[in-house]
Amino acid sequence: ETGVTQSPTHLIKTRGQQVTLRCSSQSGHNTVSWYQQALGQGPQFIFQYYREEENGRGNFPPRFSGLQFPNYSSELNVNALELDDSALYLCASSPGTSASYEQYFGPGTRLTVT
Amino acid sequence: GQNIDQPTEMTATEGAIVQINCTYQTSGFNGLFWYQQHAGEAPTFLSYNVLDGLEEKGRFSSFLSRSKGYSYLLLKELQMKDSASYLCAALNTGGFKTIFGAGTRLFVKA
Repeated sequence: ETGVTQSPTHLIKTRGQQVTLRCSSQSGHNTVSWYQQALGQGPQFIFQYYREEENGRGNFPPRFSGLQFPNYSSELNVNALELDDSALYLCASSPGTSASYEQYFGPGTRLTVT
Repeated sequence: GQNIDQPTEMTATEGAIVQINCTYQTSGFNGLFWYQQHAGEAPTFLSYNVLDGLEEKGRFSSFLSRSKGYSYLLLKELQMKDSASYLCAALNTGGFKTIFGAGTRLFVKA
């Protein structure tokens, strides 16, 4: 148990729809990162938030957006869903200091786009 | 460019030692993670190397050579429960972006 939770566990959406995935970080962790993991692949970095501001972004289009809240929760929003968005979405929280970059992953949300 | 390479699959015998190699090319490098991921589960942290050399943690050790862009994870006294994917990941300078390799699936046989 990492203390990081995600909801929902599974989700099925139709192409063109919008989806919001939620993550609750460990208390005291100011940094949250979101990843997309396709089957048989490693996680791909989407973006990172630090103290409610986007801190860095991977090679994902603007229809992937996020929010981080003061209560250590965060959201990943994906607009205009495409079939290729089907994947496991992972959030990971960390203390966000140079003393510890260890990330604690949540169990993930399995998104299926049909 | 940014690239992480590791073998796709490895097989080893229970009780043996296995070394999983990783080479990386990143624009700006802070350190190297190793994570373990069982099928259907989230990755769990194994190690983080910043300096060159070997770090030992129980049955698992991790090595880093910054000049060669090379790391390995060494697993000793293999157990069946070690069957999993092992992910190598590079953290960029600034610490805001982690690039993962595709993972090495390790099969431990009796």
